[in-house]
Amino acid sequence: KAGVTQTPRYLIKTRGQQVTLSCSPISGHRSVSWYQQTPGQGLQFLFEYFSETQRNKGNFPGRFSGRQFSNSRSEMNVSTLELGDSALYLCASSSGTGYSEQYFGPGTRLTVT
Amino acid sequence: AQSVTQLDSHVSVSEGTPVLLRCNYSSSYSPSLFWYVQHPNKGLQLLLKYTSAATLVKGINGFEAEFKKSETSFHLTKPSAHMSDAAEYFCASGGFKTIFGAGTRLFVKA
Repeated sequence: KAGVTQTPRYLIKTRGQQVTLSCSPISGHRSVSWYQQTPGQGLQFLFEYFSETQRNKGNFPGRFSGRQFSNSRSEMNVSTLELGDSALYLCASSSGTGYSEQYFGPGTRLTVT
Repeated sequence: AQSVTQLDSHVSVSEGTPVLLRCNYSSSYSPSLFWYVQHPNKGLQLLLKYTSAATLVKGINGFEAEFKKSETSFHLTKPSAHMSDAAEYFCASGGFKTIFGAGTRLFVKA
């Protein structure tokens, strides 16, 4: 089975711009979660989508949004970028049932200048 | 509410010596617990998973973890460290919303 893929792998944006990140989960997985990872804050949960519906949400401002398509692929959007949004954004997929483990993609490294 | 505490931010061992990475959890119900490893500039990889079938869980690359309910712990061990084990390790408590610990960076000296 192919693993979780994320595109793009690296991105450089300017403050005030917006960005869209993409995640393709493992085939058959219906849950996609997004995390922000920074040296100072560690791994922080952004949100989780299951069958095209946001099922869980972390404590991030409304500038961070996401969606999931019928094929389970997910996108994450950040509007009005700030310097503090520079981070590694990780996507994880799982079956979404019970206490299933998550499989992570390689991440998208976003740098905001 | 769930929470996960990794007791050490950094652990340094010599190659060939045992590894112990400590994790305590807090949960009002029987948790599902995980250990993940992250090598530099990579995503997280699942090492092992506990789901109440057995208290001693064996994972990949010679790692294992023991669930101790009385101590609310889920420590990760390996009998003999290898240079390639140098990475960051995350303990996590599962459910629909996975909670990660802050991570423990493992250094392995030659």
